[in-house]
Amino acid sequence: QVQLQESGPGLVKPSQTLSLTCTVSGGSISSGGYYWSWIRQHPGKGLEWIGYIYYSGSTYYNPSLKSRVTISVDTSKNQFSLKLSSVTAADTAVYYCARAIVVVPAAHNWFDPWGQGTLVTVSS
Amino acid sequence: DIVMTQSPDSLAVSLGERATINCKSSQSVLYSSNNKNYLAWYQQKPGQPPKLLIYWASTRESGVPDRFSGSGSGTDFTLTISSLQAEDVAVYYCHYGYTFGQGTKLEIK
Repeated sequence: QVQLQESGPGLVKPSQTLSLTCTVSGGSISSGGYYWSWIRQHPGKGLEWIGYIYYSGSTYYNPSLKSRVTISVDTSKNQFSLKLSSVTAADTAVYYCARAIVVVPAAHNWFDPWGQGTLVTVSS
Repeated sequence: DIVMTQSPDSLAVSLGERATINCKSSQSVLYSSNNKNYLAWYQQKPGQPPKLLIYWASTRESGVPDRFSGSGSGTDFTLTISSLQAEDVAVYYCHYGYTFGQGTKLEIK
């Protein structure tokens, strides 16, 4: 079955860019049919969708983060990545990658499965 | 923006008893093209990622015990655990579109 694993620095300085990668195993991103997502969870808080990407490169972002977010895909490595610019302490969170089943982007969709998540702390 | 509101925020239920969690959307989650409600429920245990339990408001994901059931349509939905087990202690989230509910913490009474 499909498994996802996040990787990247656990500590980022304020004003810098957060960069994470999600490696997909057990299935190919380029086979299509799914979107590939980033979702975050602030410590002790709820879930916030960041955005997702299709293997073709089409992206959809949460309007509240859109100006700072870039999601890209590398089908040759079966990976997709997140870049979040100009981070502050408010971006400290566990970042999850997940596969999305999407009928209408940003509307009719759900997420399954999820990676284990990686904690990113923004601090000097 | 769509707002998903769950109730209650926390819930304590005795083992073997029924647990009910509600979710209300600020707008309909019904997709008229296929007449399906795109409301999903997730379970998150401490230190773990969320796990999909139910999609289309009432369809259980493969492997999810049948004590979990979902119901509702339009803007009002319910997740029911018919007979609470110890392993069901978790936070439960409803979800539509790019918005999640705030979560309901389920504990044993």
